[in-house]
Amino acid sequence: DAGVIQSPRHEVTEMGQEVTLRCKPISGHDYLFWYRQTMMRGLELLIYFNNNVPIDDSGMPEDRFSAKMPNASFSTLKIQPSEPRDSAVYFCASSLGPGATEAFFGQGTRLTVV
Amino acid sequence: QQQVKQSPQSLIVQKGGISIINCAYENTAFDYFPWYQQFPGKGPALLIAIRPDVSEKKEGRFTISFNKSAKQFSLHIMDSQPGDSATYFCAASKTRNTGNQFYFGTGTSLTVIP
Repeated sequence: DAGVIQSPRHEVTEMGQEVTLRCKPISGHDYLFWYRQTMMRGLELLIYFNNNVPIDDSGMPEDRFSAKMPNASFSTLKIQPSEPRDSAVYFCASSLGPGATEAFFGQGTRLTVV
Repeated sequence: QQQVKQSPQSLIVQKGGISIINCAYENTAFDYFPWYQQFPGKGPALLIAIRPDVSEKKEGRFTISFNKSAKQFSLHIMDSQPGDSATYFCAASKTRNTGNQFYFGTGTSLTVIP
């Protein structure tokens, strides 16, 4: 398996633009997580899905952020409109069903909002 | 609210020395405590993990020490090598619940000087 695949690897956008980050989890994994990594706050959980259903989105910073998982092999994280403070590395991770002991991370998307 | 608190934020160690990173948690429902290692430009990857029914786990040069009564755990890297230079995250999860969330610390940037 190729692991968790994220795209793009790097994204530079202007303030106010819409940004869409993409993730393909490992096949067979029931859980998908979106994390944001910054120097100040480390790895923050934004939202996670179980069997394509959002379970907890309490980490989503504000309404400008939205996430979808239309099927078991694809998820998106959208920021609209983007702001400079959204600049960070965004990771997608997936894991097996309940009781899983490992989250497998993608390589991340480095987002820069200018 | 940070579920897992990690220190120090950064650490510089001479080659051959011992690196120690500490973490603390509050939620006694956590039953699984992994450490993740992240190299620049990569996603975090599972390094070693422990459950609270044991006080220590060792894998090669890496050891987790766990103090259930104090709700603290730490990672010890013996004979630290330049190749160990990375960011280390402690984490906690409740594997017996269906939530399956992984809560991460803020990370420790380790530099091992040759």
